[in-house]
Parts: sequence; C-alpha cells; structure tokens
Amino acid sequence: EPEVTQTPSHQVTQMGQEVILRCVPISNHLYFYWYRQILGQKVEFLVSFYNNEISEKSEIFDDQFSVERPDGSNFTLKIRSTKLEDSAMYFCASSEIGGGRASGNTIYFGEGSWLTVV
Amino acid sequence: ILNVEQSPQSLHVQEGDSTNFTCSFPSSNFYALHWYRWETAKSPEALFVMTLNGDEKKKGRISATLNTKEGYSYLYIKGSQPEDSATYLCAFPHNFNKFYFGSGTKLNVKP
Repeated sequence: EPEVTQTPSHQVTQMGQEVILRCVPISNHLYFYWYRQILGQKVEFLVSFYNNEISEKSEIFDDQFSVERPDGSNFTLKIRSTKLEDSAMYFCASSEIGGGRASGNTIYFGEGSWLTVV
Repeated sequence: ILNVEQSPQSLHVQEGDSTNFTCSFPSSNFYALHWYRWETAKSPEALFVMTLNGDEKKKGRISATLNTKEGYSYLYIKGSQPEDSATYLCAFPHNFNKFYFGSGTKLNVKP
C-alpha cells in the first residue's frame, strides 16, 4: 500500500541551528501538509501546500519556517533557527485532493520525525 | 481555534470487552469528521471519513456514528483485542486543508 515516508525519524539539534525535515508523499497526491505534536498536546496544523505554493498556514508557521518541493517527489520543512519550543513530532501528510471537504477524501500521514532541540 | 474534544482521555479494557468513545466538535460549518487510529511508532491510520448526519460506518469490529446537529461522533469497538490498543484520534477539517485534532483516546486492551 502506498505510504508517506519521512526522514529522519529522530533528530537532535542545537538551539539556533537549521533543520530540514524530509518527506516523500504518496506519488499521485497533489496536496501536502505539515502538522506537529508537542509532547502532551494536540496534533496541530502548520501548513498546506498545493501547486507549488502555500495554500494555508497557521500562526505557528512564522518566518522561521519554510516549505519546498524541490523535485517531483520530495516535500521538505525547514526551520531556520530552531528554538527549544520547536521540539515536537513533525508529521508530513498528503492527499489526492483538497483535504477534508470532499466526501471520502482522506489525508495520509507519515510516521513522523521527532525533533529535539537542546 | 476550533474546539475538538475527545473523551475519555484513556481507557483500559479486558480482551473481549466492547467499548466506545466520543469526539465532540463545532456543529456549525460542518464538512466532515475523520477518525484515525495511531499506534506508537507508526503513522496515524485513517479509519473513517464521516460526512452526513446519521452516518454510520463500519470496518470489521470498529464502527462509528455521526451526529452533526449536536456535534459529536462515537467510535465503537466490539470485542476488543490486544491489537486494538492504540490512540484513536478524531480530526475536524476547517476550510479545505486545516484539520483540528482532538487530544485522542488512548485505548489499552489487556489480554
């Protein structure tokens, strides 16, 4: 069964360092997302991406964050200068069509990348 | 920020027990309600997408119902098995792309 894959599974980084989290969405999907879960909190939306541009972003997704689809398969999340509060599990997800509104449309999630900022 | 709540937070049952838990969500501007099953160290697995008031969906021993007018969905597991142990998440989409998640119900089924 097709799946969303993410690398790395776990990364420890020093505060202030740049981090890139990588994702390979399901191949025929057109919409891509990043979510995160800080330990003990709810999974929260960061950004959605369609047609090579951000379609929506949350207030968390400030100038320190960026997303890119550098080639036909990868989708990356970059955090320019990590802070302690960026420590979380980051989930990449993809869907065939616009997430949530269409009946039967499902968003598929990867296993997540644990980011620990020290 | 939309409020999506799940209860209980955790549940411990014996193998063979049937169980259910709740997701409550805003009843206005309803598009759909998604249920996911999330095992530790795995990706959240899509279970159901509920779209119509009164919807009832079933997948094996797991079923879900939806009441959009009062803003809740129930997930039922009949005859729980140890492999059902996981966190069950509901997600409420707002606009096209943004999901609001509940905090999850962590189910532990003891053999």
